[in-house]
Amino acid sequence: SQQGEEDPQALSIQEGENATMNCSYKTSINNLQWYRQNSGRGLVHLILIRSNEREKHSGRLRVTLDTSKKSSSLLITASRAADTASYFCALSLLGGFKTIFGAGTRLFVKA
Amino acid sequence: DVKVTQSSRYLVKRTGEKVFLECVQDMDHENMFWYRQDPGLGLRLIYFSYDVKMKEKGDIPEGYSVSREKKERFSLILESASTNQTSMYLCASTLDGEGKRDQPQHFGDGTRLSIL
Repeated sequence: SQQGEEDPQALSIQEGENATMNCSYKTSINNLQWYRQNSGRGLVHLILIRSNEREKHSGRLRVTLDTSKKSSSLLITASRAADTASYFCALSLLGGFKTIFGAGTRLFVKA
Repeated sequence: DVKVTQSSRYLVKRTGEKVFLECVQDMDHENMFWYRQDPGLGLRLIYFSYDVKMKEKGDIPEGYSVSREKKERFSLILESASTNQTSMYLCASTLDGEGKRDQPQHFGDGTRLSIL
């Protein structure tokens, strides 16, 4: 499957802890993106990392990409209750228009 | 900010009805997409369009058609609704063109469609 596969499927942590979500894939990519979806809403783009980049930061978010292992991780530091959402990795495949989304990780941050 | 607006948040229709889902974006984006989202399956691409009157099938086009008569509007049509089309439908848009491949997708808030 070309689909990105997130791990874990669900994660429950205390406010202030760090949350790490992983994404593995099987094909060659142009870039990898992470999105957040609050319950009942659309997806919101968080961060994009290109295939020639290894790490990227945006506020409390840190994304890594290892193209040799075909995997990426999203780290949310000092989590807040408002971070409770589903997080999706999305693969932009080489040579095409399509973006392939994984099934997501559900994050629950307890206050 | 880019705004992608889907005409209905919730919709209930009956089996066999023809259903129209509308999506409008206000940032002159070339590419527009329709996905359906089901628990445990992530987002699956139904159709996309890279220009007015142009359309391409995605991964699950059966039972659906689309229309793009104007750049800002992309419509998804369920020709004869069936219960297995009960789902969350998400519209997205993105820029395209030379040097713009690394553009994120901007999503609407979705339409939760129930077919009875």
